Amino acid sequence: DTEVTQTPKHLVMGMTNKKSLKCEQHMGHRAMYWYKQKAKKPPELMFVYSYEKLSINESVPSRFSPECPNSSLLNLHLHALQPEDSALYLCASSQEAASRTEAFFGQGTRLTVV
Amino acid sequence: GENVEQHPSTLSVQEGDSAVIKCTYSDSASNYFPWYKQELGKGPQLIIDIRSNVGEKKDQRIAVTLNKTAKHFSLHITETQPEDSAVYFCAASRYSSASKIIFGSGTRLSIRP
Repeated sequence: DTEVTQTPKHLVMGMTNKKSLKCEQHMGHRAMYWYKQKAKKPPELMFVYSYEKLSINESVPSRFSPECPNSSLLNLHLHALQPEDSALYLCASSQEAASRTEAFFGQGTRLTVV
Repeated sequence: GENVEQHPSTLSVQEGDSAVIKCTYSDSASNYFPWYKQELGKGPQLIIDIRSNVGEKKDQRIAVTLNKTAKHFSLHITETQPEDSAVYFCAASRYSSASKIIFGSGTRLSIRP
């Protein structure tokens, strides 16, 4: 199983809503990532979790709140988003070993903020 | 800061011809260079990677080369097929726990029938 599963695939939310994006992997990877991708742009790193602890926060606004409940799951809680936050949100995972850093990406959640 | 530059931004080749995409990186500590293919509506998919102790790697119609001195690396696709049409991203990172992956700006490859 080399799959990273993200749900939902599509999400439309209002600026006052609270919603969560979910990501799951069963490859035994101990590093998990959230990326944001705008149209025709490369993915931009938001957060990195290593062994369920937040290790990198790329100065992301607090309206995005990540959570790693266990080694297989990664959530991104959304609150009071702005229309410019509309994007494809990608989750990825990689093995925590010095010689193996291949990252596997999920299909993404297409988020629209109205 | 760390930066990866990628050229060209768009590339159109005749089916059966070769395609070459080039990248340069700024962080001399980078030692892992993956290439991702992203089809419309999907997440990036790792297609090939190269590590800094290797100068070239090949997998069927795809090859990557790395010049550490010049901080250049390239993707070569031979005998292109329609299903090769996609956006390709180069990237660079370091071996370390939960390291950042720095992406290039992407190349939209179109294969003309």
